Amino acid sequence: AQSVTQLGSHVSVSEGALVLLRCNYSSSVPPYLFWYVQYPNQGLQLLLKYTSAATLVKGINGFEAEFKKSETSFHLTKPSAHMSDAAEYFCAVRTPLATGNQFYFGTGTSLTVIP
Amino acid sequence: KAGVTQTPRYLIKTRGQQVTLSCSPISGHRSVSWYQQTPGQGLQFLFEYFSETQRNKGNFPGRFSGRQFSNSRSEMNVSTLELGDSALYLCASSLAGEGYNEQFFGPGTRLTVL
Repeated sequence: AQSVTQLGSHVSVSEGALVLLRCNYSSSVPPYLFWYVQYPNQGLQLLLKYTSAATLVKGINGFEAEFKKSETSFHLTKPSAHMSDAAEYFCAVRTPLATGNQFYFGTGTSLTVIP
Repeated sequence: KAGVTQTPRYLIKTRGQQVTLSCSPISGHRSVSWYQQTPGQGLQFLFEYFSETQRNKGNFPGRFSGRQFSNSRSEMNVSTLELGDSALYLCASSLAGEGYNEQFFGPGTRLTVL
C-alpha cells in the first residue's frame, strides 16, 4: 500500500525566510509525486509534480521540490517566503502500477508566514 | 477551458436526511474522483469513476455512493446523514490513463449536518 507522511502539521516562517515542507512516501516502485496548495475555502491547486524526467522539479510561485529516491522524500522548498504563501500544502503520491486514478494524500501542512 | 465545477457550494442538512452533490469535470476529462476533507482526517478518498464505471473505492460505508453519466458529470449521494458526515467534499477530474496526469480540483461543497 502507498502512503505519504508530511512531517509537521504546522510550519511558521518569517517573511523572506526559507520555506521547507517535508514529505516522505512509501512505495514499492518509483511513484508519481505531487504537491498541491489549498487556500481557505478553495479546492486544491497543483504546485508541481515529479514524473521521473528530472529529480529537481520547479513549480509555480517560486516553489520547487527534489525527489530523493534513497531517502524516499519529496520535500517542497521556496527560497523566500511571501505573505501570500500562507496556505495548506498537501503532498500526494500515485504509483504507476495503481489502477485508475487513486491518489494518496498526506495530512497536510499549514504554513503561516509571519510579517 | 472551464475548471471543475461543483454544486451546490454550501449545504445544510439534518441527521437522517440524504444529500446529492454534483460535479462537472473539465471538458475531455473522463476520470472523476471524490474526496472527503475534514480537519482531523485530511483528504480521504471516496471513489473514482471512469467511463461511467466505479474503478476505485475508498474505505467508506455503503451510505456513500456515486455515479457518473455519459458526459462524465458525476454525482455522489450520502444517505442517512450523520453528524460526522459534516465535511468539505471535493471533486477532482483528470485525463485518463497515464499516472503522471494530475488531478484538477473543484472548489468543493461544504456540507453541514445538524
